Amino acid sequence: EIVLTQSPGTLSLSPGERATLSCRASQSVSSSYLAWYQQKLGQAPRLLIYGASSRATGIPDRFSGSGSGTDFTLTISRLEPEDFAVYYCQQFGNSPWTFGQGTKVEIK
Amino acid sequence: QVQLVQSGAEVKKPGSSVKVSCKASGAIFSNYGVSWVRQAPGQGLEWMGGIIPLFGTTNYAQKFQGRVTITADESTSTAYMELSSLTSEDTAVYYCAKGTLPSIYHYYMDVWGKGTTVTVSS
Repeated sequence: EIVLTQSPGTLSLSPGERATLSCRASQSVSSSYLAWYQQKLGQAPRLLIYGASSRATGIPDRFSGSGSGTDFTLTISRLEPEDFAVYYCQQFGNSPWTFGQGTKVEIK
Repeated sequence: QVQLVQSGAEVKKPGSSVKVSCKASGAIFSNYGVSWVRQAPGQGLEWMGGIIPLFGTTNYAQKFQGRVTITADESTSTAYMELSSLTSEDTAVYYCAKGTLPSIYHYYMDVWGKGTTVTVSS
């Protein structure tokens, strides 16, 4: 099973600041099979990034993804009030598909 | 606009089973895969397994093997997830999600249902 470890667990930032979220895999993951999701309290997850770096439909360009192999990053260039949420990375190349434990981005 | 509509909340006794449905609208059901993901209270996301309705093939996480059954009815564009031998540890929100790319076998989940709360309590 591929374990995805996200860091930090919680990120305390102010609106307008830059957020950098890390996702490290226990073994190499094809970029094609790496996605990021956003989840707000009481809501279903929403796809943000697929293929490690492609934005999903309707996702603002302040969200960007990068990385390869075992290290992936989600960057939010300037935090908007609606971006405070929990973010999960996920691999779906090897069964079982796995999620990271999540990074909570909270208002400082 | 594809939507996934899930069945309502359930309260179950320990040892019983629960069956959750997920009805798709706005897309050809057999053209994509459907996965089930659960989230225990205050916890992260956990993939349980998935089905490709076109072929009826399933793939389950080892953790749930023998306890989960995922099926699909193409005539009604509905997928089902049945979990048996319930314990309090199965109390969670259960989501269905669909995807097609990059392949029907390995896909990112681009549309999610709103979730079904399953509470297991004596």
